[in-house]
Amino acid sequence: KNEVEQSPQNLTAQEGEFITINCSYSVGISALHWLQQHPGGGIVSLFMLSSGKKKHGRLIATINIQEKHSSLHITASHPRDSAVYICAAPMYSGGGADGLTFGKGTHLIIQP
Amino acid sequence: NAGVTQTPKFRILKIGQSMTLQCTQDMNHNYMYWYRQDPGMGLKLIYYSVGAGITDKGEVPNGYNVSRSTTEDFPLRLELAAPSQTSVYFCASRRDRGVQPQHFGDGTRLSIL
Repeated sequence: KNEVEQSPQNLTAQEGEFITINCSYSVGISALHWLQQHPGGGIVSLFMLSSGKKKHGRLIATINIQEKHSSLHITASHPRDSAVYICAAPMYSGGGADGLTFGKGTHLIIQP
Repeated sequence: NAGVTQTPKFRILKIGQSMTLQCTQDMNHNYMYWYRQDPGMGLKLIYYSVGAGITDKGEVPNGYNVSRSTTEDFPLRLELAAPSQTSVYFCASRRDRGVQPQHFGDGTRLSIL
């Protein structure tokens, strides 16, 4: 069964700073998920990546399959980026119907 | 499309009461999931379903039951509520197997007192 570790658990930064959140997992996977959870609780899928890098606006996600490691970067951070960012991986390496294993999340606060 | 809809959004139960958390999706997704999120912990899988009539246990199924009579609906039943079931519950769905994103509902915040 996959184990997912995220760091840091909490991160407070000033507006405009470059943010990095790290995620490592224990079992080879088909794709890694990055999710965002805003105050109020809803969860939104940001990225799903199998290799390399993906970019959406100011968010960039990278993955190194050999090292079983992924990072989420936020460029030119803004207070509206404040949220909990969650890394998740398939529970088992077969990538079947069973669900995701989640990291504990990184609580990000961007101060004006 | 509404996506994944969960009801109710909030509920307070007394110990020993029962209730059903409703989840419905309008994306014709085959796979559906129930997760619970406890403070400071990652989401944990309770039950999942790969299609109507088929359900299976996840990591933390004790105290819960599910059914899947239609593709759209995947209700979660708590028969004898216990304080340990105080949590936020999320329903999610995805189209089928393979590399597919999961779509989440807004969650149900449940307190057992």
